Amino acid sequence: QVQLQESGPGLVKPSETLSLTCTVSGGSSSSYYWTWIRQPPGKGLEWIGYIYASGSTNYNPSLKSRVTISADTSINQFSLKLSSVTAADTAVYFCAMGLDKALVLPYWGQGTLVTVSS
Amino acid sequence: AIQMTQSPSSLSASVGDRVTITCRASQGIRNDLVWYQQKPGKAPKLLIYAASSLQSGVPLRFSGSGSGTDFTLTISGLQPEDFATYYCLQDYNYPPSFGGGTKVEIK
Repeated sequence: QVQLQESGPGLVKPSETLSLTCTVSGGSSSSYYWTWIRQPPGKGLEWIGYIYASGSTNYNPSLKSRVTISADTSINQFSLKLSSVTAADTAVYFCAMGLDKALVLPYWGQGTLVTVSS
Repeated sequence: AIQMTQSPSSLSASVGDRVTITCRASQGIRNDLVWYQQKPGKAPKLLIYAASSLQSGVPLRFSGSGSGTDFTLTISGLQPEDFATYYCLQDYNYPPSFGGGTKVEIK
């Protein structure tokens, strides 16, 4: 059974860089999309982007200038970096995994709340 | 970017009711629509993809239909564990966009 687990600081100061890691365990596939999605408190879901098994990435244009998603497949981890954060970036951040389609996501981490505050 | 409009934003229903949630796209998206269920404090759960394909392990009381711009998620015989928020997501083009969500509450 595939499992995902987010890790990283729960508090980030304004203007700094938010960094999260997702560790994937169980299962194996040559075709997968490792994805980040976020949800501000009490609000809806926002797709951040993904990294595909080949290493190619795709980001939400609204965040593209500030986002980097990278992966270390040797240890089954992928990461999110979001620079120049503001209070508007306060959210629960989910990592998720799709197999054949980027947005059909059967596997999710539990989510981690990141608060941007001084 | 494609806008996804869900309706209603919330509804009250009783156990055993048939519930229908609608999602409308601002332009045609073929059948490139996904439905997720989210319970408080939990990650979303995949219910349906390609508008009408039921994800493995999801109860048969959930069904999806539609193509183009108008889509529905139907729960036939609401169960206590179905009280949650439901989101549609278009994966027709990038950036993908979620609907605003429909909260299904107990009447």
